[in-house]
Amino acid sequence: DTAVSQTPKYLVTQMGNDKSIKCEQNLGHDTMYWYKQDSKKFLKIMFSYNNKELIINETVPNRFSPKSPDKAHLNLHINSLELGDSAVYFCASSQDIADSYNEQFFGPGTRLTVL
Amino acid sequence: GQNIDQPTEMTATEGAIVQINCTYQTSGFNGLVWYQQHAGEAPTFLSYNVLDGLEEKGRFSSFLSRSKGYSYLLLKELQMKDSASYLCAVRDSNYQLIWGAGTKLIIKP
Repeated sequence: DTAVSQTPKYLVTQMGNDKSIKCEQNLGHDTMYWYKQDSKKFLKIMFSYNNKELIINETVPNRFSPKSPDKAHLNLHINSLELGDSAVYFCASSQDIADSYNEQFFGPGTRLTVL
Repeated sequence: GQNIDQPTEMTATEGAIVQINCTYQTSGFNGLVWYQQHAGEAPTFLSYNVLDGLEEKGRFSSFLSRSKGYSYLLLKELQMKDSASYLCAVRDSNYQLIWGAGTKLIIKP
């Protein structure tokens, strides 16, 4: 069983479109995250979601919005896609955001290409 | 601002030892982690340090000096499969991980 899964693995779309990426974890974790990894390989936190508390990285445009129907899912919705949104998006989860170990388990990533 | 610095790329020989350094300046400190990321794959957890000193786990060890804002990852008995990027990240005062750009490690036979 995959611990953290994301769909789709690849997403190619036109500028201006709206798209969603889904993420599910079956680890029973309380916290989920979305990261963006750009071409220079920097991993940047976009959101973390813990017990219905959303922490947003202030640099994330409001075209990006996380949606969590339940504790096991944290989907990422992107409006009005731009060329600069092209990147690999990783979902991750951990037991709790403040626990001492905080090992994060990553999904396989979604490679988004905006044309 | 918050800053994590690592060398961009390092090369080492199979069977040898390599040390990957990481220096950081962050708003608060709640631990430092190292992750391994093979090309095209997701990062996977390697180690966690919150107190000064060395943590050993098999062929991999991680060291932390909080006063110097410095950590290193030591890889012994290098194997070809260790070719990957190694990411250093610090948990800040909000428990968010601030990531370095990673060090690409190339292992040669």
